[in-house]
Amino acid sequence: AQSVTQLGSHVSVSEGALVLLRCNYSSSVPPYLFWYVQYPNQGLQLLLKYTTGATLVKGINGFEAEFKKSETSFHLTKPSAHMSDAAEYFCAVSGAGNNRKLIWGLGTSLAVNP
Amino acid sequence: DTGVSQDPRHKITKRGQNVTFRCDPISEHNRLYWYRQTLGQGPEFLTYFQNEAQLEKSRLLSDRFSAERPKGSFSTLEIQRTEQGDSAMYLCASSLSPGGRNEQFFGPGTRLTVL
Repeated sequence: AQSVTQLGSHVSVSEGALVLLRCNYSSSVPPYLFWYVQYPNQGLQLLLKYTTGATLVKGINGFEAEFKKSETSFHLTKPSAHMSDAAEYFCAVSGAGNNRKLIWGLGTSLAVNP
Repeated sequence: DTGVSQDPRHKITKRGQNVTFRCDPISEHNRLYWYRQTLGQGPEFLTYFQNEAQLEKSRLLSDRFSAERPKGSFSTLEIQRTEQGDSAMYLCASSLSPGGRNEQFFGPGTRLTVL
């Protein structure tokens, strides 16, 4: 079984500050991990993913995440927040088996203050 | 635009009516997924297809729900005798397997409101 926990349903940062969105997962098989962003009234857009290989993955819009197996974490970071980063962020996990359905966290709403 | 498309974008219906949604995946993608998202929640898996075969259905998918992908291209999701609890955003995603590393591309969703 797989599950995802996103710590903090709402995060608020100042423009230019570090963004840190936390994601912890549970998986009985080697996980594939994803971060998606959802802007108001828009569909889900993939930010980045970890499947195998390098544990630090870089995504779009300056975001990156690090897979830490020992901590079962996949936290999302961005060094300097921009107003346009305000959105809902979802962490998801899937297995590498036949059915790769995504299991999702509840999401974190990011607010960026001027 | 060669992304995932969904139709309609919005649907308002009265309780007890039937509704049908359509999803057109990215053309070369063989896997198609349906998810449901309610306000303040993450998406929940409903069902998925590999080509035309429906390989898994969530327990969330009651007997009132049926999904098809008749020719392995577009898919439809039908809800019969809608209930107010069915109000949600219905999301469709597609991916390529093998080789796609399970990167799922999402459509804009169909927002269903049941009055």
